Amino acid sequence: DAGVIQSPRHEVTEMGQEVTLRCKPISGHDYLFWYRQTMMRGLELLIYFNNNVPIDDSGMPEDRFSAKMPNASFSTLKIQPSEPRDSAVYFCASSPGGPGGLPQHFGDGTRLSIL
Amino acid sequence: AQKVTQAQTEISVVEKEDVTLDCVYETRDTTYYLFWYKQPPSGELVFLIRRNSFDEQNEISGRYSWNFQKSTSSFNFTITASQVVDSAVYFCALSEKTDNFNKFYFGSGTKLNVKP
Repeated sequence: DAGVIQSPRHEVTEMGQEVTLRCKPISGHDYLFWYRQTMMRGLELLIYFNNNVPIDDSGMPEDRFSAKMPNASFSTLKIQPSEPRDSAVYFCASSPGGPGGLPQHFGDGTRLSIL
Repeated sequence: AQKVTQAQTEISVVEKEDVTLDCVYETRDTTYYLFWYKQPPSGELVFLIRRNSFDEQNEISGRYSWNFQKSTSSFNFTITASQVVDSAVYFCALSEKTDNFNKFYFGSGTKLNVKP
């Protein structure tokens, strides 16, 4: 089975530009998570969806960040406008339904650099 | 206050040594879940174990073992006879239910260096 697929793997762009990160969860998984990892702040949960509906977006840093899940097989995380402090590795993860969040399966991440 | 504390930022051991990675968590829920993940130098995050709050049995999987103690709110991870391939950052995580939905918290990670 294919794992969680994220694209692009690397993105380098100039500040002020719009950035869109993409994620395809594992088929059949009801939960989808977006995380950000930096040296300073570690691994932070930004938002997660259950059955395409956002459940907890309290980790989204500010209005410049938005996430959507138009269907069960696709999600995007958008940053507009991007800033250098958004540079990080962004992970998408999915998990099957169940209490407590069954093990989350992570994608390989998108390494984002904002110049 | 941190929900998940991994006090050891970095640990270095020599191959074949045993090493324990500490994890202390904080929750008011009676039902919660604890996890360990491994992040090798290649960067991906790999699930290792999930434990629910009602199951305090220790678990062993090969060279890996986990000690869950509710009395001390700890979920420690021991690698026996460490190998160079164990070098990675290890994250402990907590899932609890708040306001009718699950919240997820990761510790800051412990970097394990296993030297030959």
